[in-house]
Amino acid sequence: QSALTQPPSVSGSPGQSVTISCTGTSSDVGTFNRVSWYQQPPGSAPKLLIYEVTNRPSGVPARFSGSKSGNTASLTISGLQPEDEGDFYCSSYTSTRTYVFGTGTKVTV
Amino acid sequence: EVQLVESGGGVVKPGGSLRLSCAISGFNFSTYSMNWVRQAPGKGLEWVSSINSISNYIYYSDSVKGRFTISRDNAKNLLFLQMNSLRTEDTAVYHCARRWAYGDYGFDSWGQGTLVSVSS
Repeated sequence: QSALTQPPSVSGSPGQSVTISCTGTSSDVGTFNRVSWYQQPPGSAPKLLIYEVTNRPSGVPARFSGSKSGNTASLTISGLQPEDEGDFYCSSYTSTRTYVFGTGTKVTV
Repeated sequence: EVQLVESGGGVVKPGGSLRLSCAISGFNFSTYSMNWVRQAPGKGLEWVSSINSISNYIYYSDSVKGRFTISRDNAKNLLFLQMNSLRTEDTAVYHCARRWAYGDYGFDSWGQGTLVSVSS
């Protein structure tokens, strides 16, 4: 149950686009379209941004989008806003019926 | 309003035990699987355990298997985590989080968490 691999940090200017990668294995990301993404502001609980690789819950801005290719999922933030600063985590269902989170990425605007 | 409120955290010595609770309101508890997710100080999220809506499918991470027990009381809208043989590496904020039982919509609501500190 090794954590999914994410870059420690990404940064961008307001209005730019950034992409966060999330690399797993054929036992999780590569096999299941059950990848989700979470944003965690400092001192707060995580908030769901994306589920089932590409789907946004109601209320999540359209500038957040997800994709997947092989063992790697990605979250793109288009049109970066100052309020997007925080930690971002991916998560995947696994072949052992458990869940695994990514190592986390700090986004700086 | 959906609410998940954890309690039961505290300071405990290595080898000790704690029982965490998560009280839910604002949604039909029996239609969600429930999970515990922890976050060590300054570290990332770690999934700990899940239990389905009728408690017949239960899973644990390798790091807590054999020491932690998840359970739920649907009549009282409560989720529990019994933690035994605690280790210093179990120190973390423990969040409860729900997942829809009939499709994968992610961990869509979380509690604020309760802090467990394991120290001699």
